[in-house]
Amino acid sequence: ETGVTQSPTHLIKTRGQQVTLRCSSQSGHNTVSWYQQALGQGPQFIFQYYREEENGRGNFPPRFSGLQFPNYSSELNVNALELDDSALYLCASSWDRGNSGANVLTFGAGSRLTVL
Amino acid sequence: QKEVEQNSGPLSVPEGAIASLNCTYSDRGSQSFFWYRQYSGKSPELIMFIYSNGDKEDGRFTAQLNKASQYVSLLIRDSQPSDSATYLCAVDTGRRALTFGSGTRLQVQP
Repeated sequence: ETGVTQSPTHLIKTRGQQVTLRCSSQSGHNTVSWYQQALGQGPQFIFQYYREEENGRGNFPPRFSGLQFPNYSSELNVNALELDDSALYLCASSWDRGNSGANVLTFGAGSRLTVL
Repeated sequence: QKEVEQNSGPLSVPEGAIASLNCTYSDRGSQSFFWYRQYSGKSPELIMFIYSNGDKEDGRFTAQLNKASQYVSLLIRDSQPSDSATYLCAVDTGRRALTFGSGTRLQVQP
């Protein structure tokens, strides 16, 4: 059973640029969520994808967008980067059980983005 | 008021002692509660989750939930230096997302 893999692990961008982060979900999982973790803070929910559609969104502006592909992998795109976007971006996969069962997330190692 | 609150620490305990980590939450509709461990520079890894009032034990770890008091805790028995990490409390309010606290940094002194 493979875990959640993310790429790239580290990247540096400048303000105004765009970035794409990628995630492969754990085998058997059908749902992908993205979280942003600033230094010294807990992860904050960006959005979730299920069956290739956005299935929930946190308090993030539209310049944060995503995709989920038929093989359940996912991308996070951030346009017009700002300094405050510097953070660890975590992808988590899970098996959607509808409204029953605990929402157990398995996290990838993360992509650390620095915006200069 | 933050949705999930944790003392940032650091909480320092000697090796072999019991470490007690606490978390309060504001949404009474919260359904499931999670404890994640995060080593510096690494991603969170699940320790355990609980959704019924009372205690749940897994090895050296015990999660305790009191929904009436909106309180969840994690006890680590026989603490080891390798337990030194940040412990994140997370709450599932049924909105398909976990809400995390800022974490408590635990230091286990050899």
